[in-house]
Amino acid sequence: DGGITQSPKYLFRKEGQNVTLSCEQNLNHDAMYWYRQDPGQGLRLIYYSQIVNDFQKGDIAEGYSVSREKKESFPLTVTSAQKNPTAFYLCASSIVGERVSTEAFFGQGTRLTVV
Amino acid sequence: AQSVSQHNHHVILSEAASLELGCNYSYGGTVNLFWYVQYPGQHLQLLLKYFSGDPLVKGIKGFEAEFIKSKFSFNLRKPSVQWSDTAEYFCALNWEGNNRLAFGKGNQVVVIP
Repeated sequence: DGGITQSPKYLFRKEGQNVTLSCEQNLNHDAMYWYRQDPGQGLRLIYYSQIVNDFQKGDIAEGYSVSREKKESFPLTVTSAQKNPTAFYLCASSIVGERVSTEAFFGQGTRLTVV
Repeated sequence: AQSVSQHNHHVILSEAASLELGCNYSYGGTVNLFWYVQYPGQHLQLLLKYFSGDPLVKGIKGFEAEFIKSKFSFNLRKPSVQWSDTAEYFCALNWEGNNRLAFGKGNQVVVIP
């Protein structure tokens, strides 16, 4: 089955620790994205990447870092600099194109709780 | 910056009632518009999308949306809801030359049996 896999589904960390969330896709999509979902806030873009070894900051990149060493993988690190890390994190992917369908496909999400 | 506005964050209605969720956006150029749905405990999935052509688009599960360019709107409708339509609904857009999606804050819809 093609799709996006995020792991783990639930993650608990102590305050001050960095934590890395995994996102893998087998859809052969060039673009990948990380969103953060908070109640009443919708989805806010953290980082995105349209090609391997390149990525751009989204609207709320502070306290986060990413890498894109492989097309299939786009891990997100939540650093200790992120002031409110407890949230639901969604990874997505899409094809890249100007005049073709650019809908995004989403993973199941990772709920991170920092205590 | 491009933005998406959704009003009435919480909507409660009875089965068989009609549903309309408003979505307005701010961007003067060409946009692609989407409605996504998130059922309880499930991942975000696409309900419908508009890229070009007929401004009235039909999606899954009896949903439809109408793109009105002059009003910068893309409202979602369903004539008769079911209990299983209880979910959170998100309007989103991307724009020419940019694949990243901008989302509204969502509508939490609860359908009472």
